[in-house]
Amino acid sequence: NAGVTQTPKFQVLKTGQSMTLQCAQDMNHNSMYWYRQDPGMGLRLIYYSASEGTTDKGEVPNGYNVSRLNKREFSLRLESAAPSQTSVYFCATDGAYEQYFGPGTRLTVT
Amino acid sequence: GEDVEQSLFLSVREGDSSVINCTYTDSSSTYLYWYKQEPGAGLQLLTYIFSNMDMKQDQRLTVLLNKKDKHLSLRIADTQTGDSAIYFCAESLSNDYKLSFGAGTTVTVRA
Repeated sequence: NAGVTQTPKFQVLKTGQSMTLQCAQDMNHNSMYWYRQDPGMGLRLIYYSASEGTTDKGEVPNGYNVSRLNKREFSLRLESAAPSQTSVYFCATDGAYEQYFGPGTRLTVT
Repeated sequence: GEDVEQSLFLSVREGDSSVINCTYTDSSSTYLYWYKQEPGAGLQLLTYIFSNMDMKQDQRLTVLLNKKDKHLSLRIADTQTGDSAIYFCAESLSNDYKLSFGAGTTVTVRA
């Protein structure tokens, strides 16, 4: 029972490159979330999915797209990476009173 | 909208108590949370409190909620070096479970 897994753990991109961050959960939860964490700013919600087949924008969606592939998987895509997207990205899923977080993807855009 | 504020740093001597403070603005918050993040790791839930409670105690952790002042605190008794981490306060609202996080308080435990 792995909980929430994310790949890759680290990534370096050049400005303009694209990539997809993968997230999977084996907890059979409906809701999944993508956050970014920046120093001094806490976690900010990028996108979320309340259930399979639905996605909604969070606080900072610009420059990102998401896909809820099935109940287990929720991916985050950067179509044209910018230095401002250098951050640590966390995926999470919802339990009854708790969000469970993955270990994070550390992304650097040069 | 939601707005959660915390002080950014706290230094405490090993064995002393730590108190981390948080203020929030949305009076319709239903749950308030404390998460812990160790270096290089994701967030781990420490404890949570329902908005109709004033206090919750769990071993070395005590959460106090002052709804009138919209103030939440986390007290860690007998602070240990393993308590060095970033602590996030978060709130969720009654109509959904999205969380709004504070910026995090970095707690450093010195010998």
